[in-house]
Amino acid sequence: RKEVEQDPGPFNVPEGATVAFNCTYSNSASQSFFWYRQDCRKEPKLLMSVYSSGNEDGRFTAQLNRASQYISLLIRDSKLSDSATYLCVVRKRNEKLTFGTGTRLTIIP
Amino acid sequence: GAVVSQHPSRVICKSGTSVKIECRSLDFQATTMFWYRQFPKQSLMLMATSNEGSKATYEQGVEKDKFLINHASLTLSTLTVTSAHPEDSSFYICSARGAAPPSTDTQYFGPGTRLTVL
Repeated sequence: RKEVEQDPGPFNVPEGATVAFNCTYSNSASQSFFWYRQDCRKEPKLLMSVYSSGNEDGRFTAQLNRASQYISLLIRDSKLSDSATYLCVVRKRNEKLTFGTGTRLTIIP
Repeated sequence: GAVVSQHPSRVICKSGTSVKIECRSLDFQATTMFWYRQFPKQSLMLMATSNEGSKATYEQGVEKDKFLINHASLTLSTLTVTSAHPEDSSFYICSARGAAPPSTDTQYFGPGTRLTVL
């Protein structure tokens, strides 16, 4: 079983729609959680950290369920510029980042 | 925000040659640098972790004699792919974590180096 599992997609969503991604992680000792965004042939960039209480940054909302070892990302009012691969990332106690394979999102005009 | 650069951005080489990739933290001192490899449609895989002035720690399955890592200063780490073969063709990405806040809690990624071995 992979340490971090994501639905690879692709998700093809019309502009303005709301889209949600899910991620599960296997190591209960994971301490920190993140969503990164990676554009084609580019490096990953931090989108947002994920906190137990849930957190929001503009159109993006992230949630963490430690009991279920489940992380989600919600994008509201999607824009064309949101098209990218979204990577679920967890950090274990030894501080190494573990990346999921990513969920590919395409926003359709 | 912190900036990490990589050079070269792209390299094409013949099989059997060695390729050196540089990773620099431009506006902060990086005590720890990480080297990742990403094959098409796959996730980033950590290859090794290097701390300034000490030997790198390699992940299981990564050949330390093939992927030489040097972290000689707080702003520079290099990855040398020795005797490269076509199966080494990949996207190599470094990241750096700083010695002082706010860069201690975040890994800043370089733009990556695309290696193609013919």
